This record gives sequence, C-alpha cells and structure tokens, in this order.
Amino acid sequence: DAGITQSPRYKITETGRQVTLMCHQTWSHSYMFWYRQDLGHGLRLIYYSAAADITDKGEVPDGYVVSRSKTENFPLTLESATRSQTSVYFCASQSGNEQFFGPGTRLTVL
Amino acid sequence: QKEVEQNSGPLSVPEGAIASLNCTYSDRGSQSFFWYRQYSGKSPELIMSIYSNGDKEDGRFTAQLNKASQYVSLLIRDSQPSDSATYLCAGYSASKIIFGSGTRLSIRP
Repeated sequence: DAGITQSPRYKITETGRQVTLMCHQTWSHSYMFWYRQDLGHGLRLIYYSAAADITDKGEVPDGYVVSRSKTENFPLTLESATRSQTSVYFCASQSGNEQFFGPGTRLTVL
Repeated sequence: QKEVEQNSGPLSVPEGAIASLNCTYSDRGSQSFFWYRQYSGKSPELIMSIYSNGDKEDGRFTAQLNKASQYVSLLIRDSQPSDSATYLCAGYSASKIIFGSGTRLSIRP
C-alpha cells in the first residue's frame, strides 16, 4: 500500500535495552522526520533527514540514533532505553512543505 | 526559540455552531502554515495549508492568515461531533515544521 508505515505499533521494553523503531514510506519523499509526542509537550522533533545518508538533530536528539541508507526507510534506535523515553513516536515524510504522518508507535519503557 | 502558540482548551462548541481556533507564531520568516487534526490515539492528519494572507476555504473549514499580526486561525462551520479532536497549528521555517501544542475541541450535542 502507498503511504507511510511504522512498526511495531506497540512495544514494551525494559530500561537499558536497545530498541529500533521502523519507518517506511512509498512516496520517495526526500525529507523524513521523527517526532515524539508527550502530554504537555506536543510534538517534538527528534531527528530529521533531507535525503539518504543525510541526517540532522532536532530539538530532543539525546539518547536516539538514526540512519538512512535508503530513501524509503528511516529507522530510529534507542541505544539504551530509559523510562523518560516512554512516549508515542511518529514518523513523517514531507512533500513540498507539507508533512504526512505514519500511524505511530507507542513505546513503554519499564 | 521559534514558537507556535495555541490555547490548549478544551474549547466546547455546540453542534451546528462555528468553532474558532487560534494560533500565534514568533518567526516572521515563516511563510507557510498548516492545521492538523488529531483524533485521540491517532496520528496528526493535515486538513488545511495556507501560504498567503487572507482566507482559504475548503468545505466547512476556513483558514485565515494575518502575517502582520503573526496570527493564524481555523474556522469550522456547522460543527459536527466528528470534529471533536485536537487541532495542531504548525508553521514552516528553515526546512522544519514547528508545531503548537494543540487545542482540544469538543462538540457538544
């Protein structure tokens, strides 16, 4: 199906474990983004990518790593998960200057 | 810090009335503005984009932009229960979109 997908949709992990959230888009959009959404903070940008092999930090990058070897994929890795990283994570891609969001991943770190 | 500010609400509007959502922004360099609708437990969905001063209408929705006052608004006419959601205002600047924290809208029967 065309669009933007995220996996897993739900994830429970433990403090200190590595977790990777996947994002895949079929539009071939150059720009892709990772946000987290928490009550009281709205959407906060973690990392973004302008093209394959080009990534840059957003507002809250600490504790996260991204890569983009292919245009269609933009995985987000939590190298050592902490409770403060419990959140809903949204991936988005951009056409022109309009962003379109994936369905989100709800991550719980115990 | 470039910001987009919204009243968090909740804003309660009777069914059939006009809902008015407001947003201010601090970056005068922002040229494009967006309204996203987010239902509880779902992802944000783009409903309106506005790029120039004035009004833009799409069905029951009208977006208004006033760059001199750095003000963006969204009007929803003939409000329906299905319009109950959180509405995020966003501005585009320096290749990034800055989101407001959202206004929760509740349409009461």
